[in-house]
Order: sequence, then structure tokens, then C-alpha cells
Amino acid sequence: EAQVTQNPRYLITVTGKKLTVTCSQNMNHEYMSWYRQDPGLGLRQIYYSMNVEVTDKGDVPEGYKVSRKEKRNFPLILESPSPNQTSLYFCASSHWYGPEYKGHAQFFGPGTRLTVL
Amino acid sequence: ILNVEQSPQSLHVQEGDSTNFTCSFPSSNFYALHWYRWETAKSPEALFVMTLNGDEKKKGRISATLNTKEGYSYLYIKGSQPEDSATYLCASHTTSGTYKYIFGTGTRLKVLA
Repeated sequence: EAQVTQNPRYLITVTGKKLTVTCSQNMNHEYMSWYRQDPGLGLRQIYYSMNVEVTDKGDVPEGYKVSRKEKRNFPLILESPSPNQTSLYFCASSHWYGPEYKGHAQFFGPGTRLTVL
Repeated sequence: ILNVEQSPQSLHVQEGDSTNFTCSFPSSNFYALHWYRWETAKSPEALFVMTLNGDEKKKGRISATLNTKEGYSYLYIKGSQPEDSATYLCASHTTSGTYKYIFGTGTRLKVLA
């Protein structure tokens, strides 16, 4: 089954304790992305990756790190979480064949609800 | 930051009514416009990806149009059903040296039986 998986699905942690949220896709997608969802603000892109070892900032990258060492995995790292990072996080992936190919929808993972105390 | 705006924010319609929503996006550096359907407690699911000015796409009772010159897209639902109740998101995929997505805050639709 084609899917994007995220782990954990729920996490409660404390300020300053490093954590990683994993994201994996089995569709051989080139483009992967992380979003956060906050009430009234819509989905905001944190980081994205257009292929292995190619990552770039979205609109809200502060306090986050990512890596893309393998095509299928795109972990989100919070080195020192703070309460303002409490949010619902989504990972998404899609094909990306270059700027001449535009029609690829994103597939979203199930979401990770993070609470930072 | 480029803004993507959706209206209305929420909408209640009776079963059988037709309805439409608007997505406004910056027309400069346009790359693609995406529509997603997001049901409560689930993940967003893609409806349409639109790239060309004048594009019209249809999936069952749902259709969408695109005007890249003036920066808007309409989503239409014909004969709304209770199962259409969801939040409808649009996202502008931009390019200005990057390939970011900017999402609107969505239109929350409730179809009353």
C-alpha cells in the first residue's frame, strides 16, 4: 500500500529535550516536506527536500532541522523544543521531475501531535 | 511571505445545494495551484493540481477553475452531500529560486442532511 508514515503519532515532552519525528514514504517520491498546523494559521511549510541531500527552508524553519540521507526518509529534528513548537505536524511527499513537470499532488502522512511542556 | 487567501472561512449548506469557494493567490512566480480535501481527524487528500491559466478540472461532483493572470481559483461542488463535509484547502506552489508551498487557511464546509 502506498503510504507516508510518521512516528510517533503523539508525543508529550519537556522544554529542551531533543526529539526526532520520523517520516518515511514507499512511493519513491523525490519531494518531501514538513508542515505544522496551528489553529487559524493553516498549514505552514517548515522544510522541504527535492531529493537526497537537497533540502531548503520553508516559511517557518526556526528551531527545526532536517536531513535527507535516503530517498524514503525525511526526519524532523527539534534540538531544543520549546512550548511554541506545540503543534500538529504533517509530513508529505510527491514526485518531482524538475520544473518542467508541475502536476504532482502531495501525499500526507497521518500527523504527529506534539506537546512541549 | 506570499499570502494565499480563501473565502468564505466556513459555510453551511443544505443537502442538494451547490456551492463554491474562492482561493486567491499571488500571480507572480506562479508554478501550480493545489486543492486538498481535509476531513476531521484525517490527513489532507489531493483533489486537483492545476498549472495552466484557464484550466478546468473535474472529479465527480467537484470541479475547479484557474485564473493565473488575476490570481484566483474557484472550487465548485454540485449537489452537496453530507459526506462532502470537510475543510477544503488550496495551496500555491511558487517558484522564485525555491519551490515552496503556501497554504490558505481553508474553507470549512458543513452539509446539513
